[in-house]
Amino acid sequence: GQQLNQSPQSMFIQEGEDVSMNCTSSSIFNTWLWYKQDPGEGPVLLIALYKAGELTSNGRLTAQFGITRKDSFLNISASIPSDVGIYFCAATGNQFYFGTGTSLTVIP
Amino acid sequence: ETGVTQTPRHLVMGMTNKKSLKCEQHLGHNAMYWYKQSAKKPLELMFVYNFKEQTENNSVPSRFSPECPNSSHLFLHLHTLQPEDSALYLCASSQDVGLESYNEQFFGPGTRLTVL
Repeated sequence: GQQLNQSPQSMFIQEGEDVSMNCTSSSIFNTWLWYKQDPGEGPVLLIALYKAGELTSNGRLTAQFGITRKDSFLNISASIPSDVGIYFCAATGNQFYFGTGTSLTVIP
Repeated sequence: ETGVTQTPRHLVMGMTNKKSLKCEQHLGHNAMYWYKQSAKKPLELMFVYNFKEQTENNSVPSRFSPECPNSSHLFLHLHTLQPEDSALYLCASSQDVGLESYNEQFFGPGTRLTVL
């Protein structure tokens, strides 16, 4: 079935650094979503993308819907300690799919 | 109370026990969902309810039994579970069901379940 390949699986970065993660698939999707999950909490929607090529920002976060509709990336600029958590991509095609997550650790 | 709440937050049970997970949403939504989240795996959709009616069951074993008495409450009854059922169980809600509604889900904090 359709599968979202999310990378990297984990990241350890210094505070202030920029972060980039992506999701790819062999299938085409109509919507891409990015969530953040804090420890002990449920996922919270960060950014939703609805059109191929769309670039959307939410504060220090920027996400893009790939032009081929098969991928998406999320960038975080100037990371801070509270950015720690697991970031998930999700996409809607004929069904709804989640990625496996990128675990982000920010070292002060 | 706001958003989606889940109780208990943590649960440890033996394989012969019977327990229930509870989810409540205060958003006026019509659709509710149960997901299973295991380490290093994508979230797995288990059940979907719309206006108290089950609309989706993703081949979930019968040892998991959902109940939706009204559009604000969702339960997951557990019995004779296996250790591999240990996971974080997340509840979510959205205004309606349908593919577009998945884009507008609100998640609860989850119940961390450990089966011994």
